[in-house]
Amino acid sequence: DTGVSQDPRHKITKRGQNVTFRCDPISEHNRLYWYRQTLGQGPEFLTYFQNEAQLEKSRLLSDRFSAERPKGSFSTLEIQRTEQGDSAMYLCASSLAAMGDGQFFGPGTRLTVL
Amino acid sequence: KNEVEQSPQNLTAQEGEFITINCSYSVGISALHWLQQHPGGGIVSLFMLSSGKKKHGRLIATINIQEKHSSLHITASHPRDSAVYICAVAVRTSGTYKYIFGTGTRLKVLA
Repeated sequence: DTGVSQDPRHKITKRGQNVTFRCDPISEHNRLYWYRQTLGQGPEFLTYFQNEAQLEKSRLLSDRFSAERPKGSFSTLEIQRTEQGDSAMYLCASSLAAMGDGQFFGPGTRLTVL
Repeated sequence: KNEVEQSPQNLTAQEGEFITINCSYSVGISALHWLQQHPGGGIVSLFMLSSGKKKHGRLIATINIQEKHSSLHITASHPRDSAVYICAVAVRTSGTYKYIFGTGTRLKVLA
């Protein structure tokens, strides 16, 4: 499978715990995006990387959230001290620099904070 | 008011019906993306277009840049078309592109 993959697909955690999600983009894609989607809403932009550089962060990304893409390939999104409001689907997408290719989405990680 | 508005929010159709989902936006865009999201969350790209019309199988997408409007049509709808259809516009910002998403149209096709 050469698409975008995310791990885990589902995560249930207790409030206050830390969680980390992983995204593996399509191998030749140098841009990687993280989105959050709550029930009944469209995805909301969180952050994006070009290669290993994190170029933009949404104000939605509080201090408890951190994302990395250390070698310009896979990326991790960590949420510290989770809160119930963090429960959402976390989507990753990747693209080439050229806009014409659009973004390719992963299956998402569904987080439930109890 | 959202920058990307979709209508209708919910749509129930009988198998075989012709379906239209609309997307209007209020910002200048570089391209518009139609996405399909099935229960469970995975998003599949259907079309990306910046002008005119594209067709793939039973799906047709059109865009009118002047009117800032796009439509997604499904001909001969089938229950497997049941999903949430999301319109996303690509806006150029600071040397890159940012997507702004609509809230989606939830389609249910009954057999």
